[in-house]
Amino acid sequence: QKEVEQNSGPLSVPEGAIASLNCTYSDRGSQSFFWYRQYSGKSPELIMSIYSNGDKEDGRFTAQLNKASQYVSLLIRDSQPSDSATYLCAAIDSWGKLQFGAGTQVVVTP
Amino acid sequence: GAGVSQTPSNKVTEKGKYVELRCDPISGHTALYWYRQSLGQGPEFLIYFQGTGAADDSGLPNDRFFAVRPEGSVSTLKIQRTERGDSAVYLCASSPTAGPGGYTGELFFGEGSRLTVL
Repeated sequence: QKEVEQNSGPLSVPEGAIASLNCTYSDRGSQSFFWYRQYSGKSPELIMSIYSNGDKEDGRFTAQLNKASQYVSLLIRDSQPSDSATYLCAAIDSWGKLQFGAGTQVVVTP
Repeated sequence: GAGVSQTPSNKVTEKGKYVELRCDPISGHTALYWYRQSLGQGPEFLIYFQGTGAADDSGLPNDRFFAVRPEGSVSTLKIQRTERGDSAVYLCASSPTAGPGGYTGELFFGEGSRLTVL
């Protein structure tokens, strides 16, 4: 079992709608969580970090963390075609290493 | 540019050959990481440097893989006797500080070196 699990998608979202991405993790010792965006053929780029239970908003992005359920999510409001990418969920595990999920591909359709 | 620089961007080699991949981190970043990413997968941790020393090399798959960072800046990932299964994009990342325990999740990635072993 991978430490960080994500649905691979693709997640098809109409332009202007909300994209909802989910992630679960298996290591209860994980305390820090991150969302990276990766465009096709490009390298990952950090878009959000979250360390405490609850919601964290940054522009059109909202990250949500529930440590009791070992669940992290990312909401993208007012989705734009430029949001089409693979979104990688990542967590720092008990040994301190940043572990990535396989990513969810998001396709925003005009 | 001021980002992480990786060379070569593409490398095609034959099975059994030796390969070196180079990473030049963002100036002043003390922490440097190597990850490997296969198609359809997330990046897989290989090794982490804090300064000149390898703080954690537990992700290196076997003894054919080795990495150095002799002066605490540029790093080289070395792969001996390459195998077809080594084909992947090798990503280097750096960060300005290390978090508690030596790690941080806020990494700046280079564009990667795509290795193809025929």
